[in-house]
Amino acid sequence: DTAVSQTPKYLVTQMGNDKSIKCEQNLGHDTMYWYKQDSKKFLKIMFSYNNKELIINETVPNRFSPKSPDKAHLNLHINSLELGDSAVYFCASSQGPVEQFFGPGTRLTVL
Amino acid sequence: DAKTTQPTSMDCAEGRAANLPCNHSTISGNEYVYWYRQIHSQGPQYIIHGLKNNETNEMASLIITEDRKSSTLILPHATLRDTAVYYCIVRPANQAGTALIFGKGTTLSVSS
Repeated sequence: DTAVSQTPKYLVTQMGNDKSIKCEQNLGHDTMYWYKQDSKKFLKIMFSYNNKELIINETVPNRFSPKSPDKAHLNLHINSLELGDSAVYFCASSQGPVEQFFGPGTRLTVL
Repeated sequence: DAKTTQPTSMDCAEGRAANLPCNHSTISGNEYVYWYRQIHSQGPQYIIHGLKNNETNEMASLIITEDRKSSTLILPHATLRDTAVYYCIVRPANQAGTALIFGKGTTLSVSS
């Protein structure tokens, strides 16, 4: 069973569209994250939720809106997509401070 | 910004030990050293962490210098599947929910 899953794995869309990426974890963890890996392979935190509450919100355009309907899910909605949003987005989860478990990533391509 | 410095790339022969260094000269007393790796096209994977004592698990060993300003991750018998980018990260202890601050990491290439 996959611990942290993301859908879709690939997402190709036009500029200006709105899209969502879904993340689910079956580990019973309290905390979930979204990271972005850009074309230079640089990984950076975007958001973090603990028990459905936002605890980290890095300097991310407000076109990005995370939503946590329950502890096991953290979705990422992106409005008015831009070329610069093209990246691989990773969801992760953790329980306590030690290990974060990452999903397989969603490769977003904006044309 | 990442508080660590790592070599950009390293090579290792299959079956030999891979020793990956990391400098973290500004590490605080309450910060742990974590190692993650990212195999091509996959999400990062936790390897090991430590505070000041050397640590070993089924994947690797972590050697931290006495002054804690540097550390070395050791993969005792590298295989082709260990080819990946290895990230050394310092992070406050016992703070659930804190983000991982990734640097550029070391690209380890294991060859036969």
